[in-house]
Amino acid sequence: DAGVTQTPRHEVAEKGQTIILKCEPVSGHNDLFWYRQTKIQGLELLSYFRSKSLMEDGGAFKDRFKAEMLNSSFSTLKIQPTEPKDSAVYLCASSRLGSNTGQLYFGEGSKLTVL
Amino acid sequence: GEQVEQRPPHLSVREGDSAFITCTYTDPNSYYFFWYKQEPGASLQLLMKVFSSTEINEGQGFTVLLNKKDKRLSLNLTAAHPGDSAAYFCAAGLSGSFNKLTFGAGTRLAVCP
Repeated sequence: DAGVTQTPRHEVAEKGQTIILKCEPVSGHNDLFWYRQTKIQGLELLSYFRSKSLMEDGGAFKDRFKAEMLNSSFSTLKIQPTEPKDSAVYLCASSRLGSNTGQLYFGEGSKLTVL
Repeated sequence: GEQVEQRPPHLSVREGDSAFITCTYTDPNSYYFFWYKQEPGASLQLLMKVFSSTEINEGQGFTVLLNKKDKRLSLNLTAAHPGDSAAYFCAAGLSGSFNKLTFGAGTRLAVCP
C-alpha cells in the first residue's frame, strides 16, 4: 500500500503570497491530520478531518490557514497570506477509522520557507 | 487539554551507551502512548505503541516503560549505535478521542562512534 504522499516537498514563497500544500492519505484511511513542525514548538495540530468532515481547526491558526478535504483521498492546506514565521515543515498524517489505537501514518512533509 | 513534556531536547551519547528519554503527561485518562522516530529529512515512523494496561514493552534494542502513577513514559535505547541518531517523539492519546494525539516537542539524539 502506498503511504501518505505530500507535495511539494519544498516550497519557497515571498511574504504575502498564497501557497497550497497537498496531501494524499493512505488508501482507506478516514482520519487526516495536518501538523506544523518546528524545532522550537515541535508538532502543532493545525486541522483534523474525519471522513472529510472538519473535526478540529487549530484555534491559533484559523485566520490565515485553511485546510480542506474535497474527497476522501485528497486534502489541501492553504496559507494566505504567508509570513516569514510560517517557515516550517508541514506534515500530513492519516489513520484508519475504527482502529481507535491512535497510530498515525505520516508523510515526508512539505518544507516551507517564507522570505 | 493534554500536555506532554519531553526531556531532554538534545542528547548525545557514545556508541554502545544507553540513551534515556522521558515524557510526562498531564491527563490521567490518557490511554494510548506512542514513540515515533524521525530520521533527518524523513517522515515520522512508529517505533512502538503502548497501551496503559502494559507497563513494560521491549523492542529491538530498546525498552519502553510506562508509569501511570507518575504519568511518565520513557524510552531507553540500550547499546545505542549511529543508526539510532534521529529525533524521537512521544505522543499520548485518550481512549475514544478520534485518534487525536498530543506530541512531545522531541529529543534530538546523536550517537557518536
